[in-house]
Amino acid sequence: DTAVSQTPKYLVTQMGNDKSIKCEQNLGHDTMYWYKQDSKKFLKIMFSYNNKELIINETVPNRFSPKSPDKAHLNLHINSLELGDSAVYFCASSPTLEMVSPLHFGNGTRLTVT
Amino acid sequence: GQNIDQPTEMTATEGAIVQINCTYQTSGFNGLFWYQQHAGEAPTFLSYNVLDGLEEKGRFSSFLSRSKGYSYLLLKELQMKDSASYLCAVIDSNYQLIWGAGTKLIIKP
Repeated sequence: DTAVSQTPKYLVTQMGNDKSIKCEQNLGHDTMYWYKQDSKKFLKIMFSYNNKELIINETVPNRFSPKSPDKAHLNLHINSLELGDSAVYFCASSPTLEMVSPLHFGNGTRLTVT
Repeated sequence: GQNIDQPTEMTATEGAIVQINCTYQTSGFNGLFWYQQHAGEAPTFLSYNVLDGLEEKGRFSSFLSRSKGYSYLLLKELQMKDSASYLCAVIDSNYQLIWGAGTKLIIKP
């Protein structure tokens, strides 16, 4: 009965490869997010989707492409991986777009690019 | 620009009390969250303040002063399991969440 689940938990790959991270939430929330947490632990929003519609697309290289097939799923595809992409990526969800309810985070995907 | 400041690291003793401060300068204010994040895990929700004053929840309390752009998280009767990072996040006028860099709390026996 996991609320927000993302896979894989660990991802080790070489520069130039393409990889995907999957996220699913069973909370019935309308809004889902991708966050990047770097080595300094700073959480930075990358994308947010509301009912499958892209709402926020921060200054993220276009090598990152989110896809939301339905409001319970938000996947992240990364092309041509670079060393600087190494980080922990968190998926999260909230009931509405207005952020006045707490975010529910997945357990994170630790991406290491070598 | 928008800015949230928290101390980078704090150390406290088991059984003691610690106060983690957060000051913010944002375009508008629609609430403030505190999250706890253990090493290697996801952030989890601790508290939400939108009005001035103190919100108490067991061993944890959170205070807000909107006029001063200031909040603190108070942890009482510290336990070793409280060793974690504590993240302050503010909802701005556009209902976007602005995150602080977090405070790493180290509890010593």
